[in-house]
Order: sequence, then structure tokens, then C-alpha cells
Amino acid sequence: EIVLTQSPATLSLSPGERATLSCRASQSVSSYLAWYQQIPGQAPRLLIYDASNRATGIPARFSGGGSGTDFSLTISSLEPEDFAVYYCQHRNNWPWTFGQGTKVEI
Amino acid sequence: QLQLQESGPGLVKPSETLSLTCSVSGGSIRDSNYYWGWIRQPPGKGLEWIGSIYNNRDTYYNPSLRSRVTISVDTSKNHFSLRLTSVTAADTAVYFCARLTILNWFDPWGLGTLVTVSS
Repeated sequence: EIVLTQSPATLSLSPGERATLSCRASQSVSSYLAWYQQIPGQAPRLLIYDASNRATGIPARFSGGGSGTDFSLTISSLEPEDFAVYYCQHRNNWPWTFGQGTKVEI
Repeated sequence: QLQLQESGPGLVKPSETLSLTCSVSGGSIRDSNYYWGWIRQPPGKGLEWIGSIYNNRDTYYNPSLRSRVTISVDTSKNHFSLRLTSVTAADTAVYFCARLTILNWFDPWGLGTLVTVSS
């Protein structure tokens, strides 16, 4: 199965700062990668799909990039509600897998 | 707006069967643009894909669970279900149901339900 490795495990930033999260795949997933946000006690929310497309209703400060094995999620200017855990997920082949998550904390 | 909600026992004994239902509101489970899936999250850990169902019949399961898991759809009740047999403590997790978009991404998700496996 494809292993997704996210880095860093924790990102400590202040509101207004830029956040850059990384997701590396153990083999190519083409552009079949998504990013989800999970606020503690809530369900994950789809942010980015197919590597760089924002899901419906997602603010423009969220952007995704990359292809093949290296991907990134950028939050251009952190809002208080953006402090959460972020997961990447691929659907290139079965089984679909998730990364272990990056916690963005204040 | 499509909404999903998981329901089922919060406590299951070891070796027994875990059964959960995901009720769909704001849309029809028969909609050919929708597919469905289950994901779980052990306490304090990351997310694990369990399986997905297409066209109300074609299923794909995580190989690590394939021998124990069944996902099915009940169109008359507008819900879909998860069945996991021979559970152990390692199956203790929050179980989420989700819709799969036409592009095969999970959106939206239910709020999740905690299932504890313990005697």
C-alpha cells in the first residue's frame, strides 16, 4: 500500500502567519490527493481535492500543490479557526490511505 | 444540504459483531452521483479507510479488514451500513460515514460515533 508521510508533525504559528504543510507519498499518486481539516471533536472537512482544487466553500487562503510524490498545503494567512489537524489522503489505487496528520497550533 | 449521521451501539464485546448505520438526509441514497464510504479513527490516532460502495452494490474494502467487513445500502431506508465481525480492542475507534463525490473524495462526513470494544 502507498504510505503518506506528513511533515512536520506539529506546526506552531501565530494568526496571520503563513503555514506550509507537506505530504510525501511512497510512490506516485499522480494528482489523486486530497487534504482534510479536522477540528477536535468534529468531522473532517474536505479542503482540497485532486491536489490543487479547492472544495466548495473553502476560502481562497487555502491552496494545494504538487503531483507525483510531493504535495503541499498552504494557508496564506492563518485565521483563528484554522488551528486544527490536517490530513492528506490518496485515491490512486486500493487501499486508499491517509497521512498521520499535521497539527497546526497557536 | 446533504447530511449524514452514524448510529449504533457504543459498546461491543470482544469477538462479537459491530453494526453501524449511516442515515442520509437532504438527498437520496439512490442518486447515481453519490457513492458511500466508512472511515475510522482510533483514539488519539489517524484516519483509516475501511471501505466504499458504488452503485449500491460494488464494494471495495481495506485488505486489512476485508475478511471481516461488509458494507451495504438499504435504499428503502435511505441509509447504508457497516458490519465488522470478530471485533477486538484494536477495533475501538470513532467510526465516520461519508459520501464519496463523483470524483471519489469524502465530502461531507458524518460527525462520527465512538465504538468501544470491551467486555
